[in-house]
Amino acid sequence: KAGVTQTPRYLIKTRGQQVTLSCSPISGHRSVSWYQQTPGQGLQFLFEYFSETQRNKGNFPGRFSGRQFSNSRSEMNVSTLELGDSALYLCASSSAPTGARGGYTFGSGTRLTVV
Amino acid sequence: DAKTTQPPSMDCAEGRAANLPCNHSTISGNEYVYWYRQIHSQGPQYIIHGLKNNETNEMASLIITEDRKSSTLILPHATLRDTAVYYCIVRVARRGIQGAQKLVFGQGTRLTINP
Repeated sequence: KAGVTQTPRYLIKTRGQQVTLSCSPISGHRSVSWYQQTPGQGLQFLFEYFSETQRNKGNFPGRFSGRQFSNSRSEMNVSTLELGDSALYLCASSSAPTGARGGYTFGSGTRLTVV
Repeated sequence: DAKTTQPPSMDCAEGRAANLPCNHSTISGNEYVYWYRQIHSQGPQYIIHGLKNNETNEMASLIITEDRKSSTLILPHATLRDTAVYYCIVRVARRGIQGAQKLVFGQGTRLTINP
């Protein structure tokens, strides 16, 4: 079956702009989580959605937001981009909001560069 | 903050067993040990998880000490494709939506398999 699909794979934006990233989970998975990965901070949790509701949120400013649609696809938005937002943004899906007893399946990520 | 401690790097010869240690001295009774790995420029990949018994699957074996304060991931016959960063994570795993549990990644162990 198809894995977690993230689009676009690469993105270049200018400071002050906003960006929207998309994630399509594995068919049947209703939980989608987002992570940011940078060389300095490593992998950090952004938020998790289950059944269109945000269930958990990491310690990121309000410029970072997300949503989930009825088909479980998710988008995250970053407004007023800063240079420090340059990162690999990873999406992970699971059949349950806590990853049940198994693991999350990650996509390949969207690499965002802010110039 | 991550609740685990791992060596920053390790080397292993191709064909030999790779043994990756992880310390989690503050683990709670209801927390599982999860292992993920991340190959360069890809999303993390779930490997295995366990509570207190040793576990084995097609990818690896997980050995958890009796006091559960440390564990070892074993790749029995390492190949060049096993070169990656390996993350050890402890988290509660439960069904339902009683508080979504995020994955807290540390810096991991960079494993290099040498030919």
